[in-house]
Amino acid sequence: QKEVEQDPGPLSVPEGAIVSLNCTYSNSAFQYFMWYRQYSRKGPELLMYTYSSGNKEDGRFTAQVDKSSKYISLFIRDSQPSDSATYLCAMSARGAGSYQLTFGKGTKLSVIP
Amino acid sequence: DVKVTQSSRYLVKRTGEKVFLECVQDMDHENMFWYRQDPGLGLRLIYFSYDVKMKEKGDIPEGYSVSREKKERFSLILESASTNQTSMYLCASSFLAGAYEQYFGPGTRLTVT
Repeated sequence: QKEVEQDPGPLSVPEGAIVSLNCTYSNSAFQYFMWYRQYSRKGPELLMYTYSSGNKEDGRFTAQVDKSSKYISLFIRDSQPSDSATYLCAMSARGAGSYQLTFGKGTKLSVIP
Repeated sequence: DVKVTQSSRYLVKRTGEKVFLECVQDMDHENMFWYRQDPGLGLRLIYFSYDVKMKEKGDIPEGYSVSREKKERFSLILESASTNQTSMYLCASSFLAGAYEQYFGPGTRLTVT
């Protein structure tokens, strides 16, 4: 079993839809969870950062962590064509070597006008 | 804003050439990373450095070396480029403690012919 699993998509939604992106993981030591957005031919940019379980909201984006289920989600409300990108989840454990991140392979999202 | 810059956006080299990829960050981050990103394989860590002149192998160090003579600069070296090193190369940086998120540069698309 891979440490982090992420459905690669592609996921295509109409403008204005609510988008749900998800990752599952197997390492119970992970405590820091991130979502990155990567536009075509660009580097990933940090979108959301959460520690341990719970929700975090930033504008149209909500990150959710359920450590008991080893499941994280990113919700995008009122999706826009400019949200079309690949979304990568990433996570890290506390302790030695914790500055390394484990990434999902990314989900490609297209928001159709 | 954190800024991570990479020396070239696109690079074409011949098999057997020595290739240098440069990365500079302006936020006094201790950690710096080199990844390659390939379709279907996601981000794979090549090398990282947690201090000047310190380096650690990542998941796929074979065929690569690194140099970090100054805190802000981290170089990736392909000793003898091969066609299977054609890829997108991404540099990232992060603080050593208290924060685990990484900030990425724009990437270098390297083609080895």
